[in-house]
Amino acid sequence: AQSVTQLGSHVSVSEGALVLLRCNYSSSVPPYLFWYVQYPNQGLQLLLKYTSAATLVKGINGFEAEFKKSETSFHLTKPSAHMSDAAEYFCAVSDRNNNDMRFGAGTRLTVKP
Amino acid sequence: KAGVTQTPRYLIKTRGQQVTLSCSPISGHRSVSWYQQTPGQGLQFLFEYFSETQRNKGNFPGRFSGRQFSNSRSEMNVSTLELGDSALYLCASSRQGLAGGRNEQFFGPGTRLTVL
Repeated sequence: AQSVTQLGSHVSVSEGALVLLRCNYSSSVPPYLFWYVQYPNQGLQLLLKYTSAATLVKGINGFEAEFKKSETSFHLTKPSAHMSDAAEYFCAVSDRNNNDMRFGAGTRLTVKP
Repeated sequence: KAGVTQTPRYLIKTRGQQVTLSCSPISGHRSVSWYQQTPGQGLQFLFEYFSETQRNKGNFPGRFSGRQFSNSRSEMNVSTLELGDSALYLCASSRQGLAGGRNEQFFGPGTRLTVL
């Protein structure tokens, strides 16, 4: 079955610094990969998704992620962090053979002024 | 376009009671999935309903059940509540559902259930 591992349960960056949130996946077939963000007391909101088109995927709020098959990774980046980016971020995987979506444990991003 | 709504937003129950949570999907979406979110276990898939049929089920005991109505609204029921059932329960809707893997889900704000 497919799964994802998010490295680092907490990441802290300064405002204006690069944001890098790591996600590695495991899947026996080509995966579909997603990044979601969750703000306090809210549900999850889709940032971006990879569905086998371009390997570099651009999402909302300046985030992007690159699918690297050789590294089984789908890391999320943003060139310059903003205070409003503070939230919890979830990587998720699904594939054409399974009727579910598996989420990583989440990474809490803190942005320091 | 209205988003996914969940009611109630907060709920406090005692052990042994049962609870019903409600989810109204985005208009036109036929799939509703339910997830349990806890600090220890993260986000875990409960089940998906598509056009009133349960299409997939996660690894939860039979105390967790659900249904979907003809208007796509869904309810989730938990019977004989245990302390460990305290969690944020999220529902998500999508137009085509989870089958095929590539479809986006839209999440509601969740229902926070506390079991005392």
